[in-house]
Amino acid sequence: DTAVSQTPKYLVTQMGNDKSIKCEQNLGHDTMYWYKQDSKKFLKIMFSYNNKELIINETVPNRFSPKSPDKAHLNLHINSLELGDSAVYFCASSHGQGSEQYFGPGTRLTVT
Amino acid sequence: GNSVTQMEGPVTLSEEAFLTINCTYTATGYPSLFWYVQYPGEGLQLLLKATKADDKGSNKGFEATYRKETTSFHLEKGSVQVSDSAVYFCALTRSGGSYIPTFGRGTSLIVHP
Repeated sequence: DTAVSQTPKYLVTQMGNDKSIKCEQNLGHDTMYWYKQDSKKFLKIMFSYNNKELIINETVPNRFSPKSPDKAHLNLHINSLELGDSAVYFCASSHGQGSEQYFGPGTRLTVT
Repeated sequence: GNSVTQMEGPVTLSEEAFLTINCTYTATGYPSLFWYVQYPGEGLQLLLKATKADDKGSNKGFEATYRKETTSFHLEKGSVQVSDSAVYFCALTRSGGSYIPTFGRGTSLIVHP
């Protein structure tokens, strides 16, 4: 049973396209996150939701829009994709803010 | 703001060698501290944590002690195995009124047979 799952695992697309990444957790957690990891493994937080409310929004271009339809899901939509968006995107969840996080397997996005 | 500084890698060791990966932090208040491990092609996994000063987190032979006086949380293991080869991240959260997680840049560990 996968605790935090993401789809798709790989996403290859062209510049200018719009794409979405989905995340689901079955841990009963109330807080979910999106991270971007670059080619040097640097991990940067993008967004966090607590009980479907946006609580962290870290200087991310407004081409990125998260959406949390319920506590178990947090999706990421990206408009007008750029080459610099190529990275691995991780979803994570935690029980409350500040607790240890459980990460999904990642989505490798390649923009050509 | 908060920050986490880790030693740069890669750290290359022979099997059964002693491991130390240094981690120091800057934060207000009393943050919670974590070590995560990322194996190739996978997401991060919690390795251990400590939530208050002098706490020692331990798991799978790894240990780290929350040292408030030196603002450090160094990761140690007495005898590494090839299977420990991975990237290790030090992180903090719950600092002052902020719950924004802050991660170090990661330290790659390579263990040779």
